[in-house]
Amino acid sequence: EVQLVESGGGLVQPGGSLRLSCAASGFTFSSYWMHWVRQAPGKGLVWVSRINSDGSSTSYADSVKGRFTISRDNAKNTLYLQMNSLRAEDTAVYYCARDHGYGYYYYMDVWGKGTTVTVSS
Amino acid sequence: EIVLTQSPATLSLSPGERATLSCRASQSVSSYLAWYQQKPGQAPRLLIYDASNRATGIPARFSGSGSGTDFTLTISSLEPEDFAVYYCQQRSNWPTFGPGTKVDIK
Repeated sequence: EVQLVESGGGLVQPGGSLRLSCAASGFTFSSYWMHWVRQAPGKGLVWVSRINSDGSSTSYADSVKGRFTISRDNAKNTLYLQMNSLRAEDTAVYYCARDHGYGYYYYMDVWGKGTTVTVSS
Repeated sequence: EIVLTQSPATLSLSPGERATLSCRASQSVSSYLAWYQQKPGQAPRLLIYDASNRATGIPARFSGSGSGTDFTLTISSLEPEDFAVYYCQQRSNWPTFGPGTKVDIK
């Protein structure tokens, strides 16, 4: 079964840091681009970041550029999101998602259940 | 940034009825548009990509159409499990999502 399981969320103070992880199984992780997408409470979906299959290329939404870093460990089938200088507006459920691939990049065809990040003093 | 608008915000229908959801882009996205379904407390699910291609395992009652700036998701006959929020997403530039259309039971 294709599966993504996020972890690492929690409560953090403004200005603090957190690292999210996403464990992948049931597919060849190293062959796929991966994404992070977030959803603030009661709000819509917002794309955060993307990494290519070997980790050599990344991109970020303007709202997180310079503060967040996406990375992956293909030997461990794990995706990461290092979040620094966190702000209240970063409060959200963070989803890990697999890119569709096969020429249909930036569509997300497999999603994890999400991990909740709350930034508050 | 390409802004997506969705209408209506809420669609109240009965099971068995046809649902027609609209997504409009602030500039042309060619056919680079997807639709997702999200139920409360769940992750989104990809339904349609590149405007009209059904994702794996998606029932035939879901169909997508459009190109350029105007797109439509049609659910031919609503099943009880289809009541949810639907988001469109473009990939012409970096990905952006619309605000969603909630399909609820009339």
